Amino acid sequence: DGGITQSPKYLFRKEGQNVTLSCEQNLNHDAMYWYRQDPGQGLRLIYYSQIVNDFQKGDIAEGYSVSREKKESFPLTVTSAQKNPTAFYLCASSMAREFGYTFGSGTRLTVV
Amino acid sequence: SQQGEEDPQALSIQEGENATMNCSYKTSINNLQWYRQNSGRGLVHLILIRSNEREKHSGRLRVTLDTSKKSSSLLITASRAADTASYFCANNAGNMLTFGGGTRLMVKP
Repeated sequence: DGGITQSPKYLFRKEGQNVTLSCEQNLNHDAMYWYRQDPGQGLRLIYYSQIVNDFQKGDIAEGYSVSREKKESFPLTVTSAQKNPTAFYLCASSMAREFGYTFGSGTRLTVV
Repeated sequence: SQQGEEDPQALSIQEGENATMNCSYKTSINNLQWYRQNSGRGLVHLILIRSNEREKHSGRLRVTLDTSKKSSSLLITASRAADTASYFCANNAGNMLTFGGGTRLMVKP
C-alpha cells in the first residue's frame, strides 16, 4: 500500500542536542512538506520541497534544517538553535498543488 | 503566509444533528481544502474545492466557497459519534497550504 511513514512516533531530546525526524513516502509525489503543530493549534509550515535537491523555508524555519537527496525522503533536523522544539511534527506529500496532501501519522518531540 | 480563521473554535452537538464550520482566509487562492484530524494523529484530506467552484459534495459533506467574501463552510449532515475530531481548512495560494486554527467537533451519542 502506498503511503507516507514518519518515525519515530515519539522522540525525546536533551538540551543542546540535534535530533532528526524521518519522513518517507512511496506515493511518487514530487512535493513534500514539514509542519509543526502545537497543542490546540493549527499547522505551521517549517520547510517544503518541490523537487529533489531543492527546498524552501516556510514560516518558522529558524532552528530547523532539511535535505532532499531522494524523491522518497525528506528528513527534518531539529537543531539546538530551536529553543522551543516540544511539539507534534507532521510530514506531508502531494502530487501537485491541485491535489490534496497525504499526511504521515506524526512524531511527537519532547525536550527533557 | 497568514493563517486563516475558523469559526467556531469548538462545537458540541448531538448525534444526528448537522454541524457547520466556517473558514475565512486572506489572500487569493487556487483552491481550498478541508482536513480532519483525530486526536494525536495525522490529518486526513476530506475535500478540495477550486476557486471557480461554489459548492461541492462528498457523501455527508457539503463545502461552499465564496471568493468575494474569502470564506468557506463545511457542513456535515446527520453527524455520528465517529465524526468527533478537529477539522481544518487550508487555502492553497501558491506552492503550499496555509492552515487555519481548526474547529474541534464533539458529537455526543
